Amino acid sequence: AQSVTQPDIHITVSEGASLELRCNYSYGATPYLFWYVQSPGQGLQLLLKYFSGDTLVQGIKGFEAEFKRSQSSFNLRKPSVHWSDAAEYFCAVGAPLFGNEKLTFGTGTRLTIIP
Amino acid sequence: GAVVSQHPSWVICKSGTSVKIECRSLDFQATTMFWYRQFPKQSLMLMATSNEGSKATYEQGVEKDKFLINHASLTLSTLTVTSAHPEDSSFYICSAREVAGGETQYFGPGTRLLVL
Repeated sequence: AQSVTQPDIHITVSEGASLELRCNYSYGATPYLFWYVQSPGQGLQLLLKYFSGDTLVQGIKGFEAEFKRSQSSFNLRKPSVHWSDAAEYFCAVGAPLFGNEKLTFGTGTRLTIIP
Repeated sequence: GAVVSQHPSWVICKSGTSVKIECRSLDFQATTMFWYRQFPKQSLMLMATSNEGSKATYEQGVEKDKFLINHASLTLSTLTVTSAHPEDSSFYICSAREVAGGETQYFGPGTRLLVL
């Protein structure tokens, strides 16, 4: 079965600074990878996804993520954060080989932005 | 595109009553919908997978007689919490997977249930 690890529970970043949120996965082949963002009391919004092809994927709100097979990672980046980026971020993995529709979510990283 | 709605967004009920939560895909058809539960400051826990026209598949440890799921059409799935108790209080989120759109799940805004 697949698994996802988000090593950082909470990250604090100054507004305007760059951001990288880490995500590592475990799966026997190339998985489907997703990053979602959740504001307090809200559902999840899809930021970006990777299925195949170019390993650097662009998402909404200026986010990007890079799939690195050798490191089993799919880290999320943003060059300059805005106060509105404060939220909970979830990495998720799907398992295409087994036709598994389920997503496995990481435990999330809470992002705090300071002025 | 790919908008999912949930109703109600908030519900407060007395212990022992049943509560129904609706999940709708507004601008696409979804053969598969998923129901998650989220505890405060925690990740999402998949409760069940709902396929249109067939019985839902429940995750281990989820009581299917307590959490009734119906997926009667390609745009609507319902979760009914039967005989709710305070420990059922939680944030319930649904997601829908497009028929033609591959593996992406689109999430609803969630329903917060408080059982008194």
